[in-house]
Formats: sequence, structure tokens, C-alpha cells
Amino acid sequence: GQQVMQIPQYQHVQEGEDFTTYCNSSTTLSNIQWYKQRPGGHPVFLIQLVKSGEVKKQKRLTFQFGEAKKNSSLHITATQTTDVGTYFCAGRSGGGADGLTFGKGTHLIIQP
Amino acid sequence: EAGVTQFPSHSVIEKGQTVTLRCDPISGHDNLYWYRRVMGKEIKFLLHFVKESKQDESGMPNNRFLAERTGGTYSTLKVQPAELEDSGVYFCASSQDPPPGYNSPLHFGNGTRLTVT
Repeated sequence: GQQVMQIPQYQHVQEGEDFTTYCNSSTTLSNIQWYKQRPGGHPVFLIQLVKSGEVKKQKRLTFQFGEAKKNSSLHITATQTTDVGTYFCAGRSGGGADGLTFGKGTHLIIQP
Repeated sequence: EAGVTQFPSHSVIEKGQTVTLRCDPISGHDNLYWYRRVMGKEIKFLLHFVKESKQDESGMPNNRFLAERTGGTYSTLKVQPAELEDSGVYFCASSQDPPPGYNSPLHFGNGTRLTVT
């Protein structure tokens, strides 16, 4: 079945440093979504990427979808303590409402 | 609008006992999903309802797990009998029908933390 791999599993950064998490799928994806889960909370939808090579920005967050639609990345510029949490990518090979395959997530820990 | 609500928030049971988790999706969301996250691992898909019908239950681990969504509103997930490896956080999520070629964003509940001792 489809597998979504995400690295790194943990990332410690000093506040103000940049952070990147990478996501790779074993199959071509129709689209990819990113979620953030704060400690003790639940995953919250951030964004969806659909087009090959697509880049989207949300303030300090930049999301990219690879040309082959098999990989994606999330980059945070100048991290803040509010960025703490686990970032998950989730993809599916086809469009529709069926269940997504999630990566294991990247735990972002920020040291002030 | 009210979000996805799950009950209970925590449950501690002994091996061999039965537990029933409940999920109330966002009103009007036909799609309801159950996911499970074991500590440090990925959020793993369990099953997907469209209204009252099971669209995909390929992620259900074994026949000790039974999910229902009578009437197409709230859903329950029963584990009977519970085993130690069933411990984890069980998330419910709901979504609207997506536009063609898209996946709908999932709206997650706060989860039920199940501990089997």
C-alpha cells in the first residue's frame, strides 16, 4: 500500500532559526495536505497542494510540492515559540473523500 | 459552527474489557473517519464512513474493532475485548464532499486517549 515517509522525526532549533520538514511518498500523489498538532491537541489543517511544483506561503510558512508529485516540504522561517508542535503531511493517490495516508510527523521543539 | 466532538477524552480499562468511543462530526459532513495514533508513530487510518455506509474499512486492525454510524450522524467505535496494543489516541475526523480532484480537509476532534492495562 501507499507509504508516506517524513523526516526528521524530531528537530530542535533555537528560537529565530529556520526549520524544514520533508515528506516523501512511495506513489505519485494527486495532492498533499499539511497538518499541525500542538502538544495535547488535535491535528489542524494548514494547507493543501495540488499542482506539480506548486509553492504556497502562509506568513512565515512555505509549502512546496515536488515536480513529480511524490515529495513535499514545509519550511518555517525564523521560528517562534508558537510554532512548537508536530507537523504532519498527508497524501492520497487519487482525489476524493477517502482516507488520507499520514506521515509519522516531525516534532518541532524550540529553545528560547 | 461546532467542531468534531469526541467522548470520552480519556479511558483507562483493563485488558479484556470493552470500551466504546463516540464521535459527533460537524453537522452536514457526510464523511466521517476514524484514525489512531500510537505514541511516536503515524496517524493511522482505520475506516471511513459516507453517511451510514462503510466506504473503506481496510485500516481496521482486526475483528475486535467494530464501528457503526447508524442514521449517518454520530459514530461509535467499540473495542471488545481490548488488548494492550490497542492503547493510543483515537481521533475522529469529518469532512465535506470535495471538489473533483481534491481531498477535503479533515476536521479532527480532540481524540480519546485509550490506555489498556
